[in-house]
Amino acid sequence: KQEVTQIPAALSVPEGENLVLNCSFTDSAIYNLQWFRQDPGKGLTSLLLIQSSQREQTSGRLNASLDKSSGRSTLYIAASQPGDSATYLCAVRLGKGGSEKLVFGKGTKLTVNP
Amino acid sequence: EAQVTQNPRYLITVTGKKLTVTCSQNMNHEYMSWYRQDPGLGLRQIYYSMNVEVTDKGDVPEGYKVSRKEKRNFPLILESPSPNQTSLYFCASLDRYYTGELFFGEGSRLTVL
Repeated sequence: KQEVTQIPAALSVPEGENLVLNCSFTDSAIYNLQWFRQDPGKGLTSLLLIQSSQREQTSGRLNASLDKSSGRSTLYIAASQPGDSATYLCAVRLGKGGSEKLVFGKGTKLTVNP
Repeated sequence: EAQVTQNPRYLITVTGKKLTVTCSQNMNHEYMSWYRQDPGLGLRQIYYSMNVEVTDKGDVPEGYKVSRKEKRNFPLILESPSPNQTSLYFCASLDRYYTGELFFGEGSRLTVL
């Protein structure tokens, strides 16, 4: 059974710091991995999607990497800002069975202090 | 604008009073899904639909029903809500064939008294 873990559960950093959020998964047979941002009480906004054949994706100050063999993905945020404060979730789309199953981590709550 | 729309966004109801949460997407996606999000438990899938008239149970289907009569709509039905169904609910649709990206609605916060 695929399990997705995000460590740490919470992270607090000063403004301007570069930071890395981690996502690990137990089964490397994934179709893709997606990073989301969730503001309190709001929906999930897609940040980056990495296909299983890709190693990384970039969007502005965000860079996500994928290492299927080790079951890890990282989300790198450069020059963090208070507006980056949110919960970040990763989700893997399973490549087996055709059920389109997605498994989510529980998220890392990021606080960027001015 | 590509979007998933849920209604109502907020609802307080009482035990046993049937309710429906609507979900509509304008991206012509075949795959749609419902999740609930609870503190400490993360996102859990309730039901999903691979296409019109094709639905299947997710991880926590008890107490819920769904239907998929049209591609764009995927309502979630609580026939007899109970307090343990108090939660934040999300509808999502998946671009299976092109980007593989999952799109979420804004969420519906349900309180069952």
